[in-house]
This record gives sequence, structure tokens and C-alpha cells, in this order.
Amino acid sequence: ETGVTQSPTHLIKTRGQQVTLRCSSQSGHNTVSWYQQALGQGPQFIFQYYREEENGRGNFPPRFSGLQFPNYSSELNVNALELDDSALYLCASSLDRVEKLFFGSGTQLSVL
Amino acid sequence: AQSVTQLDSQVPVFEEAPVELRCNYSSSVSVYLFWYVQYPNQGLQLLLKYLSGSTLVKGINGFEAEFNKSQTSFHLRKPSVHISDTAEYFCAVNNAGNMLTFGGGTRLMVKP
Repeated sequence: ETGVTQSPTHLIKTRGQQVTLRCSSQSGHNTVSWYQQALGQGPQFIFQYYREEENGRGNFPPRFSGLQFPNYSSELNVNALELDDSALYLCASSLDRVEKLFFGSGTQLSVL
Repeated sequence: AQSVTQLDSQVPVFEEAPVELRCNYSSSVSVYLFWYVQYPNQGLQLLLKYLSGSTLVKGINGFEAEFNKSQTSFHLRKPSVHISDTAEYFCAVNNAGNMLTFGGGTRLMVKP
């Protein structure tokens, strides 16, 4: 029902590498948010994009960056991977309003 | 700054018994409150939300929650649980910004 798809589902990288995660928003949604969920914890807000512009950012360093494309799909890029970046990365889309968020199933990133 | 505390990391309960998952929040302004459920290897699914109006909110799968402003709580309840309710439950708050702040989660374990 959600219509939010993320790829890949699983990914293994080594420390220092760069990674790109992708998200296809639900049809008609113009806002996408990214969250990081470490093992055994709740999701933490990374940033949000609204109509291709960054529209808010959580407490994450600049090596976490993103893009939103004209078709409202989105990418999360992480440079200089660290072991603590190992987590489930969740994408959520909405039409303008946070109270109607739809989450994807996530990308499980393991950094070795 | 806003924060969310889920008082129980795990709640074991027998099938058909009632359950309450506790959530307390801190915020200096009016908030929107949410409960999400996460099944293994899946993203987050919205159970219910409080935006305004009646303090008793009914959601999917027979769950309900009550907003208590004086106690800054939003506890989730179900009168009779099923094995299929076994999952991780997250309480979240939004205070008219563009991000959700999640609690650490409560693992509901329903035993036969």
C-alpha cells in the first residue's frame, strides 16, 4: 500500500567507502525524508527534501547528503563510511505534511 | 527540543490478554503524536495519530491510544492481543516542524 520503494535492500561496504541509497516516492508525493535506524533504536531524522530543496536537517555531519529529483525520487549519499554508519536507512514520502508519512522497507547497510 | 521516552523496552504478554505500551514526551509547544509498528525486516506502518480533538484515538488492528496533556503521555492499548501483534512499536512526536522524533521502541512479544 505504501508505494515507497528503496534500493538496494541490503548493502555491505568497508570503512572509508562511499554509498548511495535510492528511494522512489509514492506517486504524487513531493516530500521525502530520510531516517537512520541503528540496531535496537528508534529512527533518527537525517534530512528532508521538499520539491528538490533541502527542507530541514537533523544532527548528522555533512558527509551525509541527499538529492531529490524532478520526479521526486531521492538519493541518500554517505561519504567516508564509518563503522557506526551501519544501520537500517528508511525513506518516507508525503504530500506536504508530516502527519501522512509513508515509509519504505529500508536499506540495511553494513560497514565492515 | 522535544524528546520521547518509551518506558518499556520489552513487553511479554499472553495471547488474548490486554496490553499497554507506555509513551511519554517532552515538548514546550503543542504536538502531534503517533504510534508506528515495525514488523521484522519491514519499514514503519502508522497505527494511529493524534492531531487535535478527542483525546482517545482509535487506530488499525484494534489499537487505541489516549493523549494526556497534563501527564504528557500517549499510551497505546489493545484489549486482546494476537500472536500477529508481535512486533516493535514506536511512539513519535512532531511539533509542527518537518521531522518526527521517535522513542527507542518497545518490543511486544505475544506468547501462545
